[in-house]
Amino acid sequence: DQQVKQNSPSLSVQEGRISILNCDYTNSMFDYFLWYKKYPAEGPTFLISISSIKDKNEDGRFTVFLNKSAKHLSLHIVPSQPGDSAVYFCAIDNTDKLIFGTGTRLQVFP
Amino acid sequence: IAGITQAPTSQILAAGRRMTLRCTQDMRHNAMYWYRQDLGLGLRLIHYSNTAGTTGKGEVPDGYSVSRANTDDFPLTLASAVPSQTSVYFCASSQTGAGFFGPGTRLTVL
Repeated sequence: DQQVKQNSPSLSVQEGRISILNCDYTNSMFDYFLWYKKYPAEGPTFLISISSIKDKNEDGRFTVFLNKSAKHLSLHIVPSQPGDSAVYFCAIDNTDKLIFGTGTRLQVFP
Repeated sequence: IAGITQAPTSQILAAGRRMTLRCTQDMRHNAMYWYRQDLGLGLRLIHYSNTAGTTGKGEVPDGYSVSRANTDDFPLTLASAVPSQTSVYFCASSQTGAGFFGPGTRLTVL
């Protein structure tokens, strides 16, 4: 039973446009959410996070939105750049254990 | 350089053999984790340790064991490897939520 779902395995976006990656979770008790980025042959790296007391957190080109009633979070990247091409994982902090989604592969083309 | 190191980088192993994947961090983080990454399944937690001397089971612990004799080291042992354990293994550590990942070990069990 997957607690964290990323229903889009891949996304292709033109450079300069907005990339929107989505994530759904099942348990309304979760209170801390994270996004990780992973390049091939490297470990995941932390990108941005949000706690349940907020509905938005912004860091440069990256913004995470949290909709608690829908149990949904999204990552917006604007403007998208070719270097953003990677696999993006959402994760929830479940009593000090990170539970990850299955990932979305983002490709940003010129 | 602060971070997490994993060894070996890659390994091909005959089924039935014993194998230990090594993980060392120098950030003095209390919590450490082992994940496996498989296509379409994302990152799944195998075992974790919230502090030296304690360990816990994650989502997919069967066939694996861990120990945490000190803060820095968190080895993962496959007592008798099976082909389904072919995967990329990531070690991670964290102090307050966001985890730092090692570069991974690619393991192939034949």
